[in-house]
Amino acid sequence: QVQLVQSGAEVQKPGASVKVSCKASGFSFTAYLIHWVRQAPGQGLEWMGRIAPNDGHLHYSQNFEGRLTVTRDTSTSTVYMELSNLGSEDTAVYYCARERGGTCYFDLWGQGTLVTVSS
Amino acid sequence: EIVLTQSPATLSLSPGEGVTLSCRASQVVSGTFLTWYQQKPGQPPRLLIYHTSYRATGIPDRFSGSGSGTDFTLTISRLEPEDFAMYYCQQYTTPQFTFGQGTKLEIK
Repeated sequence: QVQLVQSGAEVQKPGASVKVSCKASGFSFTAYLIHWVRQAPGQGLEWMGRIAPNDGHLHYSQNFEGRLTVTRDTSTSTVYMELSNLGSEDTAVYYCARERGGTCYFDLWGQGTLVTVSS
Repeated sequence: EIVLTQSPATLSLSPGEGVTLSCRASQVVSGTFLTWYQQKPGQPPRLLIYHTSYRATGIPDRFSGSGSGTDFTLTISRLEPEDFAMYYCQQYTTPQFTFGQGTKLEIK
C-alpha cells in the first residue's frame, strides 16, 4: 500500500526539541522528494522544508532556518523532522508529503502528527 | 515570498449549486506550479488540481482549474455533499512554497 506513516503525538516543553518520523512504503523512496508542512490549530498550511532521499539534498524555508533539521534513513525509507527551541507558536499538526521531483505539488500526505508545546 | 490571497474566506452554498474560488498571487506565478488541495476536518490535505488545470487521479470532472499570471480559480460545477470542506491553493516560486489561507465551503 502506497502510504506515508508518521509517528505519534508529542508533548514538549518550551525550549525543547521534537523529532517526528515519516515512514514511506509501497513506492520507491528515493524517486521522490519528501516535504514537511505544518498547520497550527484552526489555521492554514505552512511549508517548512524538504529532503531528497536519494542524495540527502536539503531545502529549508527561510522561516525555519537554524531551527529545522530534516534527515533520512534510506535503509528504513524513513524521513525525520527535528524542530528545536520550541515555543507555543510551534503547536501544530506536522505533515510529511511526497513530491515527484520537479512537479512542485504534493500527491501523497502522511496522517499528521500533533505536536503540543506546553509548560 | 509570494503571498497567495484566497477569496472569499467562507462560502455558504447548497448542494447542486456551482461555485468558483479565487486565488490571487502577489507576483506572477508560473501556471506549472499552481496547485489546489481539499482538506476535511481531521484529515490531511488531498491533491485536487495541479499545474493550474490538471485533475489529480480520482478527482471527479466537476472540479476544474484555470488561470494564469496572478489570478487562478477553482470551479466546482455542481456541489455534492462531500465537497463541503476547506480549499487551499499553493504555489512554488524559488525559493519558497506558499499556501493561501484557504476558503471554507460550508453547507447553507
